[in-house]
Amino acid sequence: GAVVSQHPSRVICKSGTSVKIECRSLDFQATTMFWYRQFPKQSLMLMATSNEGSKATYEQGVEKDKFLINHASLTLSTLTVTSAHPEDSSFYICSARDVAGPNYGYTFGSGTRLTVV
Amino acid sequence: GENVEQHPSTLSVQEGDSAVIKCTYSDSASNYFPWYKQELGKGPQLIIDIRSNVGEKKDQRIAVTLNKTAKHFSLHITETQPEDSAVYFCAASRGGTSYGKLTFGQGTILTVHP
Repeated sequence: GAVVSQHPSRVICKSGTSVKIECRSLDFQATTMFWYRQFPKQSLMLMATSNEGSKATYEQGVEKDKFLINHASLTLSTLTVTSAHPEDSSFYICSARDVAGPNYGYTFGSGTRLTVV
Repeated sequence: GENVEQHPSTLSVQEGDSAVIKCTYSDSASNYFPWYKQELGKGPQLIIDIRSNVGEKKDQRIAVTLNKTAKHFSLHITETQPEDSAVYFCAASRGGTSYGKLTFGQGTILTVHP
């Protein structure tokens, strides 16, 4: 079945630095990718949607200059958290979608635990 | 936009009992309703889904029912086992469209006691 690989699984960074998270679809072409943030004991909140070759669409309240999304190819999307602060510490999850796949093709990565110190 | 409400927030059952989790949605254009299981520190895994042209779907111990008129859908787990313990999320989307983002419910922490 469809597999989405997300790296790194855990990252600790200092306040003020930037962190890049990668999301790769391993065996399908992802025409659309989604980035979610999940705080402890809460649901997944969509941050942005990106389609290959076009700019990401950010959800209300999400700072596009802070959370840079690049859908570089049909198999790779990256999320860069710029000038990270402790309040950015969270669990980030990507989802890649193959609209031609079964179940409308929503496949999730394993998540990245970001801790900003 | 879509709003998905999920209940209960926590559910505790004895091994072998059934568990039912319910969700309601607001967008009448939503046509795809998946259920995910999330274990601690991991991404969500699809366990079952249903589309709006179907009223019920079953896969072994797991079933999902959809009432499109009332805009609610439910997850049913029979003969629960300790390994079913996890957080369960419902979601809704206009799955067939290019726009089709998933909107998640608040989650249900299911605990199955041996």
